[in-house]
Amino acid sequence: DSGVTQTPKHLITATGQRVTLRCSPRSGDLSVYWYQQSLDQGLQFLIQYYNGEERAKGNILERFSAQQFPDLHSELNLSSLELGDSALYFCASSVGDRDLGSPLHFGNGTRLTVT
Amino acid sequence: DQQVKQNSPSLSVQEGRISILNCDYTNSMFDYFLWYKKYPAEGPTFLISISSIKDKNEDGRFTVFLNKSAKHLSLHIVPSQPGDSAVYFCASTYNNNDMRFGAGTRLTVKP
Repeated sequence: DSGVTQTPKHLITATGQRVTLRCSPRSGDLSVYWYQQSLDQGLQFLIQYYNGEERAKGNILERFSAQQFPDLHSELNLSSLELGDSALYFCASSVGDRDLGSPLHFGNGTRLTVT
Repeated sequence: DQQVKQNSPSLSVQEGRISILNCDYTNSMFDYFLWYKKYPAEGPTFLISISSIKDKNEDGRFTVFLNKSAKHLSLHIVPSQPGDSAVYFCASTYNNNDMRFGAGTRLTVKP
């Protein structure tokens, strides 16, 4: 158990809809990261928050947004969903902001299916 | 933008033998390399890492080798056990902590 909690585990929705994925980081961790894993692809970095502030941005679409709240939990909002958005979405956390090489602790992911 | 590549999608080895998983990278700025293991229906878990100033790091049955001139790293598992069957991701990072992952290699260890 990594200590990172993601909800829901599964989500099925239709094209054009909007969904919110939620992540609670490991106790004591201030950074939250979001990754997308499409079929047979590696994990694609989307965005990182540290103590409520956006710190780094990866290949995140404009239709996607995220935030980290004062209690450090994070939400990833996906809107105007397309079939290609179907993927596993992982949240990870770490203690610091730019800890060189420190490992990330991953949740079990949310599987999003867009029909 | 495939800066980290794992060219073998799968690998099968016999229990007790050595498993060698390979990873290539293109960005010479990467200064830390990590391996993660992922079981079905779970998130990746950290396995072992190596700094770019080293060429080898060992932790029990797991050893990571780094060849900076070839921009190549490998993970050796000796001896391999059935419980090692999982997907293995290599990841690389530089100082902004933007961790890049490969596509993964599915290891199957046969009893």
